[in-house]
Amino acid sequence: KAGVTQTPRYLIKTRGQQVTLSCSPISGHRSVSWYQQTPGQGLQFLFEYFSETQRNKGNFPGRFSGRQFSNSRSEMNVSTLELGDSALYLCASHERGGSYNEQFFGPGTRLTVL
Amino acid sequence: KQEVTQIPAALSVPEGENLVLNCSFTDSAIYNLQWFRQDPGKGLTSLLLIQSSQREQTSGRLNASLDKSSGRSTLYIAASQPGDSATYLCAVPYGQNFVFGPGTRLSVLP
Repeated sequence: KAGVTQTPRYLIKTRGQQVTLSCSPISGHRSVSWYQQTPGQGLQFLFEYFSETQRNKGNFPGRFSGRQFSNSRSEMNVSTLELGDSALYLCASHERGGSYNEQFFGPGTRLTVL
Repeated sequence: KQEVTQIPAALSVPEGENLVLNCSFTDSAIYNLQWFRQDPGKGLTSLLLIQSSQREQTSGRLNASLDKSSGRSTLYIAASQPGDSATYLCAVPYGQNFVFGPGTRLSVLP
């Protein structure tokens, strides 16, 4: 099976712009979780989608949003970018969602906000 | 609230040594615990998943143990190699998502 894929791998934006990141889970997996990783805060949970529904959301402002399509692919969007949004954004694929299952991560998207 | 800590924060050892990485969590009511490896600037690679009913899991030179009652897990790496150099993170479930430790940065010197 192919692993989790994320596009693009690298992105450079300026403050105030918006960005959309994409994640394709492992075939057959119906849940996708998104995380932000920074040197200061470590890995922080953004949100989880299961069968096109957001099941859980972390403590991030409303500028961070996401969605999941019927083929389980997921996108996350960040509007009005701030310098502090510079981070590695990781998505994880789960078979059934929730905290019971093993997570498989993609390579990440490195976002730099100038 | 679930909090996860990892000790040590960084470790540098000569090649061939056996080593132990520690992970502690505050809420012992967990379903499982997962260990990951992360190379610089890359995503996370799953190493081992231990279910709450298990006490340990092994994969090659890696062995992970879980003691729910004490809120601890250890990752044992046997005969370390320079290719083992990476950051190792543990994660435990909390609600419907996962909480990660800050990681242990391992350097294995040739």
